[in-house]
Amino acid sequence: ILNVEQSPQSLHVQEGDSTNFTCSFPSSNFYALHWYRWETAKSPEALFVMTLNGDEKKKGRISATLNTKEGYSYLYIKGSQPEDSATYLCAFNTNAGKSTFGDGTTLTVKP
Amino acid sequence: DVKVTQSSRYLVKRTGEKVFLECVQDMDHENMFWYRQDPGLGLRLIYFSYDVKMKEKGDIPEGYSVSREKKERFSLILESASTNQTSMYLCASSPGTGGSYNSPLHFGNGTRLTVT
Repeated sequence: ILNVEQSPQSLHVQEGDSTNFTCSFPSSNFYALHWYRWETAKSPEALFVMTLNGDEKKKGRISATLNTKEGYSYLYIKGSQPEDSATYLCAFNTNAGKSTFGDGTTLTVKP
Repeated sequence: DVKVTQSSRYLVKRTGEKVFLECVQDMDHENMFWYRQDPGLGLRLIYFSYDVKMKEKGDIPEGYSVSREKKERFSLILESASTNQTSMYLCASSPGTGGSYNSPLHFGNGTRLTVT
C-alpha cells in the first residue's frame, strides 16, 4: 500500500488569513497528483491535476505546487473565506490509473 | 458534466444481510472505483474495474465483492454485512486508456451505510 500523507490533519483560521497544507507521496513511479475539495454533504471535486515536476497551478485564490523529486505538493489558499471550509484531499496516481488518497486536511474558516 | 449516481444516500441494514450498493455513470468511462471513508482516515480503495466484467482488488477488499456487467454500472456487494462495514461509501469513475491516467476521478454523492 502506497503511503500518502497530508498535514496538518485540521486547520482553523480566521477569514482573510492565508494558509497552506502539505501532501507527501512516494517519489518513485509518479504519474500524477490530484487535489480535491470535499465540502460537507457534497461529493469530492477535483481542483488540480499536476503531472510535471515544478508544476504550479492556480484557480482563483487557490494554488498548488509540485516537487516530484522530493515527493511533496503544497496547496495554498490566499485570503481564506468561509466558503473555503472543506476537507482537501490529495491523491497520488501511478500509471495503473489507480489513485491512493491521503487522509485529508480539514479547513475551517471562521468569519 | 459527468454524473455519477449512487442509488441510496442513506442505508440501514442488519448484521448478516447481503447488501448491494449501486453506482451508475453517464459518461462512458472505462474505469470505476469503490472507496470507503471513515472518520480520521482518507478514502480507501475497495475494488476497481477497468472494463466490463473486469475487477481488481483494492487495498481493503475483504468482505466485499463487485459486479460490472455493463459499462455504466458498478455494484458493490457486502456478502454478509458486519458492523465494521458501517461507513461512507463513495463510487467514482474516470476515463480509461482511451482517455488519460491524468484525468481526475468523478465522484458520486456517497452512501452512508449503517449496519446494526
